[in-house]
Amino acid sequence: GENVEQHPSTLSVQEGDSAVIKCTYSDSASNYFPWYKQELGKRPQLIIDIRSNVGEKKDQRIAVTLNKTAKHFSLHITETQPEDSAVYFCAAPSPQTGANNLFFGTGTRLTVIP
Amino acid sequence: GAGVSQSPRYKVAKRGQDVALRCDPISGHVSLFWYQQALGQGPEFLTYFQNEAQLDKSGLPSDRFFAERPEGSVSTLKIQRTQQEDSAVYLCASSLLGWDRLKNTEAFFGQGTRLTVV
Repeated sequence: GENVEQHPSTLSVQEGDSAVIKCTYSDSASNYFPWYKQELGKRPQLIIDIRSNVGEKKDQRIAVTLNKTAKHFSLHITETQPEDSAVYFCAAPSPQTGANNLFFGTGTRLTVIP
Repeated sequence: GAGVSQSPRYKVAKRGQDVALRCDPISGHVSLFWYQQALGQGPEFLTYFQNEAQLDKSGLPSDRFFAERPEGSVSTLKIQRTQQEDSAVYLCASSLLGWDRLKNTEAFFGQGTRLTVV
């Protein structure tokens, strides 16, 4: 299956600064890259996703970039706010296994310091 | 409700006991996934259903784990002879479409079942 690596594992930023989280994947056939946010004790929720036919996608303060050649994608959060504090997970499918299941990174715990 | 529903929310089992975890996906969703999330870790894939067909069970850690979705809607994850290392949150997710490399769609997660084996 897919091997997804995520860095850093923890990230602390001052309120208003930017945060960047990076992931790499192994299956060159992967074509869909979602990012999930999980607050303590809650379910993971999709915040943004990107497909392999585009290199960047933005949604207000959140953006994702994709480099298919290098097999990595990144989450960018600008003007961070305390409510952005959570664990963020990247994911990628493994189409070659014939299934649509997602493989997740190990997560990044983001802390935004007021 | 409109979301993915899991029950029970919490389960405490004695070592060696069998447990059954239930997932009600969003109505009409073709794909259903089970994940295991240990404390401080990302969700680890267990198994995947497309309608009633279990297309991938490569993530099930042992033959003590069994999942089914007999009518293509509700799914049950069963763990036999539970052990302490089975303690984790078990997450279920569903998505609208089946496997199509052009049409991956958002996976919606349930709140999970927190299993504690004592």
